[in-house]
Amino acid sequence: QKEVEQNSGPLSVPEGAIASLNCTYSDRVSQSFFWYRQYSGKSPELIMSIYSNGDKEDGRFTAQLNKASQYVSLLIRDSQPSDSATYLCAVLGAAGNKLTFGGGTRVLVKP
Amino acid sequence: ETGVTQTPRHLVMGMTNKKSLKCEQHLGHNAMYWYKQSAKKPLELMFVYSLEERVENNSVPSRFSPECPNSSHLFLHLHTLQPEDSALYLCASSPFPVELDYGYTFGSGTRLTVV
Repeated sequence: QKEVEQNSGPLSVPEGAIASLNCTYSDRVSQSFFWYRQYSGKSPELIMSIYSNGDKEDGRFTAQLNKASQYVSLLIRDSQPSDSATYLCAVLGAAGNKLTFGGGTRVLVKP
Repeated sequence: ETGVTQTPRHLVMGMTNKKSLKCEQHLGHNAMYWYKQSAKKPLELMFVYSLEERVENNSVPSRFSPECPNSSHLFLHLHTLQPEDSALYLCASSPFPVELDYGYTFGSGTRLTVV
């Protein structure tokens, strides 16, 4: 079982719609969870972090965490063509010394 | 700029060459990381340095040799690489332990091609 799993996509979303991305993790005692956006040929940039169960909103982005189900998700509201990118889920383990990344979900927002 | 600077941005090297990648951070962080990103693969952790000491080495071949002379600088020395080592090499920095809401800051990466 992979430590952090994401659907590779592509997730095709019409402009203005909601994109929903999912991530599951295997380490039950993971501390915190991050969503990074990576444009093609560029480095990842942090867009959201969450470490408490429930929802966390920042602008058009909402992260959702369910530790009992070992599941974290990212919602992108009012999707724009500029949101087309690969979204990486990352998990901070119990030791707090490194992030483990999923393979990423490619999102394609169509005008 | 993110505060983490990597040089060079692009590197083409032959299998018998020796080259080095450089990473510098201006964020006051005390941990630095090397990751490898190959096409259609997750980010692979290579090395972790905390306070200039290597705290993790993820079974990386000896043709990759890291060096961390101080908390602001990290190098990856390369020698006798193979074509399958062609990838995007990413440097990152963070506070140590990693903070719950901060994560890493990445540099812009070095695109390495081994011919």
